Amino acid sequence: DIQMTQSPSSLSASVGDRVTITCRASQSISSYLNWYQQKPGKAPNVLIYGATSLQSGVPSRFSGSGSGTDFTLTISSLQPEDFATYYCQQSYSIPWTFGQGTKVEIK
Amino acid sequence: EVQLVESGGGLVQPGGSVSLSCAAFGFTFSSYWMSWVRQAPGKGLEWVANIKEDGSAKYYVDSVKGRFTISRDSAKNSLFLQMNSLRAEDTAIYYCATLIMVGGVTWYVDLWGRGTLVTVSS
Repeated sequence: DIQMTQSPSSLSASVGDRVTITCRASQSISSYLNWYQQKPGKAPNVLIYGATSLQSGVPSRFSGSGSGTDFTLTISSLQPEDFATYYCQQSYSIPWTFGQGTKVEIK
Repeated sequence: EVQLVESGGGLVQPGGSVSLSCAAFGFTFSSYWMSWVRQAPGKGLEWVANIKEDGSAKYYVDSVKGRFTISRDSAKNSLFLQMNSLRAEDTAIYYCATLIMVGGVTWYVDLWGRGTLVTVSS
């Protein structure tokens, strides 16, 4: 199975900050990497698919980069509604696997 | 409105069975691969199973193989998960979801239901 490791596990940031979350795969997954946002008590929502493609309706302050084993989710200017937990997920091979999550909290 | 609505969760004893359902509204259910994803209380997300549009292909995470069965009924616009030989570690919110394939290769989970909680405990 492909292991997905996110860092950090949590972070504190202020509104307006630039935030970067990284995700590393245990083997190359090309660009088959997705990012999801989950707010407490809610189902996740996809932000980025295929490592770099922004899902329709998602604000442009979210961006994704990377390929192979190393990926990054960047929020260019953190907004109040962005405080949530973020997960990466590989769809390169079955079983699909998620990272452990990164909780973004208010500083 | 486009939505997925899960039902069937509850408290079940270890070794018991439960059947989850997911009703699809507002889109052409028969055109989509579907998936179950679960989340243990306070924990991360875990993919459980996928099923092809016509039900001819199914995939499972190893930990549920031989115990869980994913199925669908396009006439009823519904997805199912039959869960047998349940264990404490199966306790989780179970989400039903649609899958999108892009460029014929990459996949992502698109529409999610609100989830249904299954608690395995004596």
